[in-house]
Amino acid sequence: GQSLEQPSEVTAVEGAIVQINCTYQTSGFYGLSWYQQHDGGAPTFLSYNALDGLEETGRFSSFLSRSDSYGYLLLQELQMKDSASYFCALHGSGNTGKLIFGQGTTLQVKP
Amino acid sequence: DTAVSQTPKYLVTQMGNDKSIKCEQNLGHDTMYWYKQDSKKFLKIMFSYNNKELIINETVPNRFSPKSPDKAHLNLHINSLELGDSAVYFCASTGTSGTGDEQFFGPGTRLTVL
Repeated sequence: GQSLEQPSEVTAVEGAIVQINCTYQTSGFYGLSWYQQHDGGAPTFLSYNALDGLEETGRFSSFLSRSDSYGYLLLQELQMKDSASYFCALHGSGNTGKLIFGQGTTLQVKP
Repeated sequence: DTAVSQTPKYLVTQMGNDKSIKCEQNLGHDTMYWYKQDSKKFLKIMFSYNNKELIINETVPNRFSPKSPDKAHLNLHINSLELGDSAVYFCASTGTSGTGDEQFFGPGTRLTVL
């Protein structure tokens, strides 16, 4: 089967940089995505890594290493509005677009 | 002009009842999904349809039955509701299945079974 592990909680201060790690087990996948979810809201897409390396989108970057079965989301210049849950998700093999989500990391940004 | 919409937003009902949740997307996407998010925020795929054809059917009780009348709509009917069905149900859609295209999620339907 497929499984992902993330830290359950991370706390950081405004303006800081935080890294949320994601390790996974799978026999095959297309790539790794990251989603953000505020309390009471819907998951929203942040980034996708199909290949090893770093993808940068504004203050957010995501990294994938297939050889290490590991990825991370890097958030820079943290703002209070970044307080949310962050999910990594594997895109399963097979042409279905199936996403397998990690259990999520709750990020609390403090002033 | 909401991209993915769901109705109702909240649903409170008694055990044993039958209820439906509706989902519509106006993005022109071919693929739609139903996810269940439990009280611990664990998000799990339930079903997926591509152009009205069922392509993902996870291990879900057969009390749950999806229906896709057209590629813009995916409804979820639940029979004989149980306490454990209480969760937030999200509909999502994507333009191209099997790739990294982002999935667009609806606002969710919070189902409470009493």
